[in-house]
Amino acid sequence: NAGVTQTPKFQVLKTGQSMTLQCAQDMNHNSMYWYRQDPGMGLRLIYYSASEGTTDKGEVPNGYNVSRLNKREFSLRLESAAPSQTSVYFCASAPRGRGGTGELFFGEGSRLTVL
Amino acid sequence: AQSVTQLGSHVSVSEGALVLLRCNYSSSVPPYLFWYVQYPNQGLQLLLKYTSAATLVKGINGFEAEFKKSETSFHLTKPSAHMSDAAEYFCAVTINNNDMRFGAGTRLTVKP
Repeated sequence: NAGVTQTPKFQVLKTGQSMTLQCAQDMNHNSMYWYRQDPGMGLRLIYYSASEGTTDKGEVPNGYNVSRLNKREFSLRLESAAPSQTSVYFCASAPRGRGGTGELFFGEGSRLTVL
Repeated sequence: AQSVTQLGSHVSVSEGALVLLRCNYSSSVPPYLFWYVQYPNQGLQLLLKYTSAATLVKGINGFEAEFKKSETSFHLTKPSAHMSDAAEYFCAVTINNNDMRFGAGTRLTVKP
């Protein structure tokens, strides 16, 4: 029962470096999401993918790009990392094409530090 | 815009005492509301959800929440706290079918 798997769990970058966070789910969910969690701010949506082949901006998309590689995988890319992107990143998925009344299933998080 | 406000970033209770975590929402239409729990170094997991079927919602681990439209509240309660309840709790509301907005979180500490 893997659920939602994120890699890497920890990463340290220097300002200006690039990296990709990987996410995969094995629950055959249609929708996938990337959130960032910062102290005192809860979780904020970066990007989401309602179904394979579609992606849309969330609340805080600047500085990020995403790719819905297939139904299972949804990656988040930082092209030129900045200290403001130091955060814990969570990938989540939802069963139906629309989140609606359904719950989100979360990965364990990826802790990113940008120096 | 729909959003949630959690009152109190930290709550401390003694083991066996009542747990009350407060959440107020703002919404122009009937909302769907959720409580999630996050244990240290883990992702969030669903405690319970309100989807208009019943105003008193029971969740896992003895938690429940009551939807009060007149007060725009969805407070989380548990009659008797256990040490294992120590975690961070998030209230959330669905903005539209593809967005879920989270409150800032409340960290619950349980004292022996």
